[in-house]
Amino acid sequence: AQRVTQPEKLLSVFKGAPVELKCNYSYSGSPELFWYVQYSRQRLQLLLRHISRESIKGFTADLNKGETSFHLKKPFAQEEDSAMYYCALSNRGAQKLVFGQGTRLTINP
Amino acid sequence: ETGVTQSPTHLIKTRGQQVTLRCSSQSGHNTVSWYQQALGQGPQFIFQYYREEENGRGNFPPRFSGLQFPNYSSELNVNALELDDSALYLCASSSQNTQYFGPGTRLTVL
Repeated sequence: AQRVTQPEKLLSVFKGAPVELKCNYSYSGSPELFWYVQYSRQRLQLLLRHISRESIKGFTADLNKGETSFHLKKPFAQEEDSAMYYCALSNRGAQKLVFGQGTRLTINP
Repeated sequence: ETGVTQSPTHLIKTRGQQVTLRCSSQSGHNTVSWYQQALGQGPQFIFQYYREEENGRGNFPPRFSGLQFPNYSSELNVNALELDDSALYLCASSSQNTQYFGPGTRLTVL
């Protein structure tokens, strides 16, 4: 079965501190992994995807196939990073997204 | 280039009624997916349409149905509404394996 698990519903860190949002998945095959973000009063938007291997807004995520994880990291959190973050996977090409429950990240000043 | 739009923004219905939600895809996108997001949960895949044909369906009963039109806009229809259908309904259009989401329609079933 395809499943995405985000173990933390809430995460609070201080500005300037490192942040890591955890994501684990179960999938038979080679999935494509994504992080989506939803800022207050905005729509869900793509933050990054593992296939691009890029850093967006200082965030990076590495796919670890051995641990079936795709954790999102940022070395120095900023207040504008406060948002809801969703990890998701899809079949390559199938485009159906399976989402985790989400983690609400709060950056304290 | 306009983004994905959805209408209406909010809707209140009573149990047993039927509802139609609408979605206009982003220009040039021929694939539309619908998701249901219950409070405190991640979005859950309902179905996807590609060039007016259903192209995959999640674990939702047949009273959830859809349409895609030649201009790639789409409708989600839900019959015999139940209290548990209360949720945010998201539409997403796709290009190159990336889904772009609309703002959603908040459906409340009383």
